Amino acid sequence: DGGITQSPKYLFRKEGQNVTLSCEQNLNHDAMYWYRQDPGQGLRLIYYSQIVNDFQKGDIAEGYSVSREKKESFPLTVTSAQKNPTAFYLCASRAGVSSYNEQFFGPGTRLTVL
Amino acid sequence: GENVEQHPSTLSVQEGDSAVIKCTYSDSASNYFPWYKQELGKRPQLIIDIRSNVGEKKDQRIAVTLNKTAKHFSLHITETQPEDSAVYFCAASGAGANNLFFGTGTRLTVIP
Repeated sequence: DGGITQSPKYLFRKEGQNVTLSCEQNLNHDAMYWYRQDPGQGLRLIYYSQIVNDFQKGDIAEGYSVSREKKESFPLTVTSAQKNPTAFYLCASRAGVSSYNEQFFGPGTRLTVL
Repeated sequence: GENVEQHPSTLSVQEGDSAVIKCTYSDSASNYFPWYKQELGKRPQLIIDIRSNVGEKKDQRIAVTLNKTAKHFSLHITETQPEDSAVYFCAASGAGANNLFFGTGTRLTVIP
């Protein structure tokens, strides 16, 4: 399945709690991404990382945080500051250097705030 | 930064007919244009892509055309089948930018 895994598949959170979504890849890709997808909507970039120990904010970074301590892992934390976190979260990775490289997506995590 | 617009947002066709989805981009430096298909509840998957040095690319029933001058590219699906029903996203990526900029998606429904 493309070598990218996300866990859990479904996640339920109470308001005020932080939760962390896992993303792991064994493709040896340099770049990793987090997207948020709301029902019937497109893909909005939350954070991305092009190299270990470095990451940049995307279009909707407020209320989220990430880390990139290892090349194969890029966890996303949804903090209590995120006002409307219920959504489908997709992780992706891409080999670096060339803009022609295919971007692969993980299977997604569906987060629901109760 | 790059801005990608996609039309239409929804498209219904009869089985066997053709479907066309169009995208425009703003950054003339963009040089890679992939198309992704996302079935309900699943991950987006690459179905075809085109580089800026090529005007057209075909893979069986799907084809993509690129007009660099006008900064637009299109996805063409011929002889549509019910299993083509999904959301399709276009994207653009530029030299020096490792990000893909996505369109807002087109929900294609193929009516049997």
